Formats: sequence, C-alpha cells, structure tokens
Amino acid sequence: DADVTQTPRNRITKTGKRIMLECSQTKGHDRMYWYRQDPGLGLRLIYYSFDVKDINKGEISDGYSVSRQAQAKFSLSLESAIPNQTALYFCATSDSRGTNNEKLFFGSGTQLSVL
Amino acid sequence: DAKTTQPNSMESNEEEPVHLPCNHSTISGTDYIHWYRQLPSQGPEYVIHGLTSNVNNRMASLAIAEDRKSSTLILHRATLRDAAVYYCILHKYGNKLVFGAGTILRVKS
Repeated sequence: DADVTQTPRNRITKTGKRIMLECSQTKGHDRMYWYRQDPGLGLRLIYYSFDVKDINKGEISDGYSVSRQAQAKFSLSLESAIPNQTALYFCATSDSRGTNNEKLFFGSGTQLSVL
Repeated sequence: DAKTTQPNSMESNEEEPVHLPCNHSTISGTDYIHWYRQLPSQGPEYVIHGLTSNVNNRMASLAIAEDRKSSTLILHRATLRDAAVYYCILHKYGNKLVFGAGTILRVKS
C-alpha cells in the first residue's frame, strides 16, 4: 500500500462546483503539503500544515482552502471551481521538523479537470 | 526566494554517465541543495541532498562546487528508467521547498 494516498486519482467537474481532494498518509509525519502542477511547469505550493492545528498559505492559495482533520489526513477544497484550476494536484509529507534537511514524500497525484 | 537555474532538457545514451548541472549563485550559507525527480505519471521523488561536501547514495552522486554556487547531479549509468524531470532546489532554513521547471532528461537506447 502507498504511504501517501490521494483520492480520487481523476476528477472531472463543472465550473462553480465545490470539490474536495483528499490525502492520507501512513508515514507518521507531522508536515503535509498540497502542490499543483501545470503542464511544463514545476510544482507550486498551495497550502501546508506543520501539525494538526497549523495551517499556512503557500504561493497560490487564492480559491483554495484546506482542512487538517488528523495527523494523517489533509484535504484540499475548491469552493467554487473554475477552469484555470484544471491541473495535477499532489499531496506530500515530510519527516523533519524545523530544519531545511527534510525529505518530501509525494502521493501519485489527482488530475482535476474543470469544465 | 532562492532561485536555481537548470537547462530545460538534456539527452543521454543508455549505460553512460549523466551530469545534470544546476546554478544557484544566490545560495546562502545554511541553504541545503536538494534534488528530486519526477517520472512520467508519478509524483516527485527524493534523489539526494547536500550542504557543502559531495554526497553519494544508491541513486546518484551530488557534486557541490567549492563556492557552492553550482552543483551537479551525477547518474553513473543512465538507464531508460532514469528518464524523468530533475529538479534542483535550494532549501532555506524554516522555508518550504520551491520547485522550478526542472530539466527533462531523455535517455536513448
């Protein structure tokens, strides 16, 4: 079983719909992240959480919200999806606290298409 | 934000070594140099990281210039399975990893 699991793997939705992407991990890590990737570009950070009560905005948080329901679960919501949110979304966890020595572990991604 | 510069793409022959360069002239003394790669249809995976000294692991070697303004990821014998996008990232203390566009590595058989 994968250590970082994202659901769903693919999702097609319509403009204006609310949608939630879920991420769960069995690695026991405190830190969790949501990134999006657009074709030909690198990954951009949306939100991150260093523990259950901690939520932080990343580079491109507008139009998104997150919830850290438990150490193992971190969900990303699009309150009212728009077509330019069509992208590949990745959840990640990391194993270090307060250092720049951490390694990120990524899920397999969720391909979201907003029509 | 700390910025790295990588070639857009590189090509290698199978079974030959590959040297992937990265420039990071704005690196600070406590920044770590990280490398990740992303295989097709997968999330990025950690490859290697270092601070000052050269590093080796089972996947690759990392050669860091003496002034730390550049580094090179070395794949000793490229295989078709090494075809991926390789990201060079500076990790600043207390900050998050910021991914650029990376280098697309193509491996020819």
